[in-house]
Amino acid sequence: GESVGLHLPTLSVQEGDNSIINCAYSNSASDYFIWYKQESGKGPQFIIDIRSNMDKRQGQRVTVLLNKTVKHLSLQIAATQPGDSAVYFCAENIGGYSTLTFGKGTMLLVSP
Amino acid sequence: GAVVSQHPSRVICKSGTSVKIECRSLDFQATTMFWYRQFPKQSLMLMATSNEGSKATYEQGVEKDKFLINHASLTLSTLTVTSAHPEDSSFYICSATTGTGPYEQYFGPGTRLTVT
Repeated sequence: GESVGLHLPTLSVQEGDNSIINCAYSNSASDYFIWYKQESGKGPQFIIDIRSNMDKRQGQRVTVLLNKTVKHLSLQIAATQPGDSAVYFCAENIGGYSTLTFGKGTMLLVSP
Repeated sequence: GAVVSQHPSRVICKSGTSVKIECRSLDFQATTMFWYRQFPKQSLMLMATSNEGSKATYEQGVEKDKFLINHASLTLSTLTVTSAHPEDSSFYICSATTGTGPYEQYFGPGTRLTVT
């Protein structure tokens, strides 16, 4: 969903469900993408990354899909657990430079 | 590995005073450190990029005289909020990178600043 004002888009799922969090990025020159998880009051935690020469990358329980044609990134979490409840941010990096641009974020709420 | 710490984790200061926040890379040398600000329910906004031994590069709209950044060593960067006002109350997060690909940034736990 789109962020409106100060309200983060929220995805509510049941424990055990698969979750899909989406992110639209703006710069077609971006060539490296990262998903971060941020729990309340903490700094972002690296989840998974992907380079622009790939369209899919899998980790433990997580998969990132990249569609460069429509500038869209998604994070899939399998068998979502209550501990996955957090805000998830995508971030993009443009070739060779170290700065990251963060997306608006999505809050994932997992109920037992 | 790749642990970044911040100190303090929380600080309350009076309006008009200055407060310093430290960011340390504990087990690696950070050629570049970044400072972000995050307001409630919002994303991280990059404030400035600092390279060891050189002046920080500030993002548009960030006052360099208000947010003083020093990156004196490869393991320490400091952010000083000068003459703090209530609108400076925010969550300040630093990150560090070794500067080698793939440019993953390692984030600190953040510092909650409240200006009364």
